[in-house]
Amino acid sequence: DAGITQSPRHKVTETGTPVTLRCHQTENHRYMYWYRQDPGHGLRLIHYSYGVKDTDKGEVSDGYSVSRSKTEDFLLTLESATSSQTSVYFCAISGGRNMGSYNSPLHFGNGTRLTVT
Amino acid sequence: AQTVTQSQPEMSVQEAETVTLSCTYDTSENNYYLFWYKQPPSRQMILVIRQEAYKQQNATENRFSVNFQKAAKSFSLKISDSQLGDTAMYFCAFMKHAPSKGAQKLVFGQGTRLTINP
Repeated sequence: DAGITQSPRHKVTETGTPVTLRCHQTENHRYMYWYRQDPGHGLRLIHYSYGVKDTDKGEVSDGYSVSRSKTEDFLLTLESATSSQTSVYFCAISGGRNMGSYNSPLHFGNGTRLTVT
Repeated sequence: AQTVTQSQPEMSVQEAETVTLSCTYDTSENNYYLFWYKQPPSRQMILVIRQEAYKQQNATENRFSVNFQKAAKSFSLKISDSQLGDTAMYFCAFMKHAPSKGAQKLVFGQGTRLTINP
């Protein structure tokens, strides 16, 4: 993969508890993204970041917040987890300095499977 | 808003056969990119092939090729001489052209689960 680590790889939590997923990159890419994957929906964008402390919402952002205090780390937080947030969460990166174009394909981490009981 | 539709939830073929996965999309943009990603059971998302909308020539990567029909907004993936390792979920994705400092946001289809049988 492109130097992307997601942690944890699996997590089971109870409804109402806070959860934080971490994405760490070693590629110094500018842009970072959080997607969720659900059957019948493909992957949908939750939030993305275009720089340190610069983030914006995607199409399914309700119930999620993000933070990016360093170039290499992008955190996804579920303030109060619900069963509808049971999903596989993917982090992705793009826009490395060595890339010839800003319109470069995204590179994905290996995902975090989150189960909310 | 852009939408991507993959109308084949599942497909199954024999090893060495050729298979075509369908994808259609809806957009008012003229400058954009299309991708096929492969997701094997390991869950990893792997870029298979990429097509720029301004290029008329269809992209090819070894056994993988696309049939890009811009007017019809169709972007199918053909896998020739299919192998057992091609068994995976395949996602079609759309990305509109981003300005020099814009994030590259992908819009995905629902996916097609492809099984290659021995």
